[in-house]
Order: sequence, then structure tokens, then C-alpha cells
Amino acid sequence: EDQVTQSPEALRLQEGESSSLNCSYTVSGLRGLFWYRQDPGKGPEFLFTLYSAGEEKEKERLKATLTKKESFLHITAPKPEDSATYLCAVLPLGSNYKLTFGKGTLLTVNP
Amino acid sequence: EAGVAQSPRYKIIEKRQSVAFWCNPISGHATLYWYQQILGQGPKLLIQFQNNGVVDDSQLPKDRFSAERLKGVDSTLKIQPAKLEDSAVYLCASSLDLGASRNEQFFGPGTRLTVL
Repeated sequence: EDQVTQSPEALRLQEGESSSLNCSYTVSGLRGLFWYRQDPGKGPEFLFTLYSAGEEKEKERLKATLTKKESFLHITAPKPEDSATYLCAVLPLGSNYKLTFGKGTLLTVNP
Repeated sequence: EAGVAQSPRYKIIEKRQSVAFWCNPISGHATLYWYQQILGQGPKLLIQFQNNGVVDDSQLPKDRFSAERLKGVDSTLKIQPAKLEDSAVYLCASSLDLGASRNEQFFGPGTRLTVL
């Protein structure tokens, strides 16, 4: 069974304090790994897709990386507006774009 | 470009009542998904459509949940009768096409259902 585990469950940072969120996964074969951001009361917002180990994607203060067993979302010099829940999802090989999501990491950035 | 639209945004019902949710996907997106997100959890796929055909409904509780996507555009998800454990946010998402090389899913704002 495909599994996605995100850690930590919650993370509190001071503005400007860089850190990383982890997404470890167990899947028979990986077609892609997705990162989403979810604000309270809203649907998930697409951030990145990673397809192969060693791949990196960047967007503003966020950088996502992928290995064969896990992905990291690095947040550099975060701002309060980066506060949100970050969700990771895997797309197994052979699936019809059926994503399996982790529970998410709730990030709070204090000014 | 308009995003995925859902209505209503909020719904409160008594247990054993019925409820329906509506979704309008991004124009031109052939694939439509319904997810259930319970508080503190990630979204769980309920049903997936490609145009007006069902691709996957393996996690849909078919004794009480039903969904349709007539004409391959809008979709409705129905619960009848509702149970307390159905309280959740119901998210609709759409993507370009199952055959596309890049097929990111884009989500609507969701409908928050409370069953009393």
C-alpha cells in the first residue's frame, strides 16, 4: 500500500528563520511527487511537481528536492505570509493520476 | 483563467438527511476528482472522472454516496443518507487529461459539510 508520511506535524518559525519540511514515501514505483499549499478555508494550491531523484524546483522562498525515498521543502527566510499547511502527495506508476496525500505540515511564521 | 468553482461553500444538515454538492471544473479540463478531507488529514480521493466516465471509485462509499458528471463538464456529488462521520470538507479538483505528460490537479475552495 502506498504511504506518505510528513514531518513535523507542526512547525513554528520566526520570520527569517530558514527550515525544511520532510515528506517520506513508500510506493512501488514513483511517477511524480507533488507539493501543495493549503490556507485555512481554502482548497490546496499547486506548488511543484518532481518526477525523478535529484530534481529540484524553486519558487520564491521555496525549494523542493526529491530523493528515492523522500522529498524536502526548504523554506528560506520565511515571511508570515508563508504560514499555511503544506501537503505532499505521491502519484504511483500505473495509476490513473490517483494521488495519495500525506497529512500535511502546519507551518506558522511569526513576525 | 477561472479556477474550479464549487457550491455551496458551507452546509449544515441533520444525520440521515441528504445533501448535494456541485463542481464546475476549469474550462477544457477532461479529468475531474472529488476528494474528502477530514480535519487534520490530507485529501482522500472518492471518485475520478475522465470526461463523463468513471475512472476510479474504489474509495467511494457507494451505499450512501453517488456522483455524476453529465456531458463531461459539471459534476455533482450526493450523500444520502448522511452520517455524523461524513462531516468534512469536500474538494473538487480538475486536471487537463489523463494522457497529458504533465497533469497537475487544481482544486476548488471546497464545501464544508457539518452533520449534526
